[in-house]
Amino acid sequence: QVTLKESGTGILQPSQALSLTCSFSGFSLSTTGICVSWIRQPSGKGLEWLADICWDDGKGYNPSLKNRLSISKDTSNNQAFLKITSVDTADTATYYCARRARRYNANWFAYWGQGTLVTVSS
Amino acid sequence: DIQMTQSPSSLPASLGERVTISCRASQGISNNLNWYQQKPDGTIKPLIYYTSNLQSGVPSRFSGSGSGTDYSLTISSLEPEDFAMYYCQQDASFPPTFGGGTKLELK
Repeated sequence: QVTLKESGTGILQPSQALSLTCSFSGFSLSTTGICVSWIRQPSGKGLEWLADICWDDGKGYNPSLKNRLSISKDTSNNQAFLKITSVDTADTATYYCARRARRYNANWFAYWGQGTLVTVSS
Repeated sequence: DIQMTQSPSSLPASLGERVTISCRASQGISNNLNWYQQKPDGTIKPLIYYTSNLQSGVPSRFSGSGSGTDYSLTISSLEPEDFAMYYCQQDASFPPTFGGGTKLELK
């Protein structure tokens, strides 16, 4: 059974760095083809993909935030991490991690965590 | 980035009704279109991948269709648990992008 759970800094001030952890079970990030993504959702708004990290340490970042994002993984402990630097109030959102699935030409976010709320406020 | 436009943004409907939600991409996405359901508690569940493939465990009253730039999600007969937010998402082109969402609510 695949599960994912996010954790991180609940409340932080503008200009600080946000650190998020995705702890998962039921799969390994060392298995060929496996990727974990971060996606966020401001309250009452839509979903925004942020970044991916894959089994081969390949990484992808949303160009709109690329300079502020850093994704990494700890394969031994089944965790993936996201760091966002220089946060401001626009980064207030629920942050989700998700595991991608691939089948032939199809790519989708097949498993999702419950999300963790991050609030940026002075 | 490919822009995804969903319509309607809000859809009042009754139990047992058949409903369709539309999703239009700003350019062709070669069927690489996925649908997700989000409940009020924030839980997100994949429903359909690659236009028309049902995710394991999803009831058969959900179906998807489309091609090119235009796609749709149909629920054949609404059940109480179907009242939620629905999002489309394209994965044909980097970065993956989502539609703005459709709120399916009880009439």
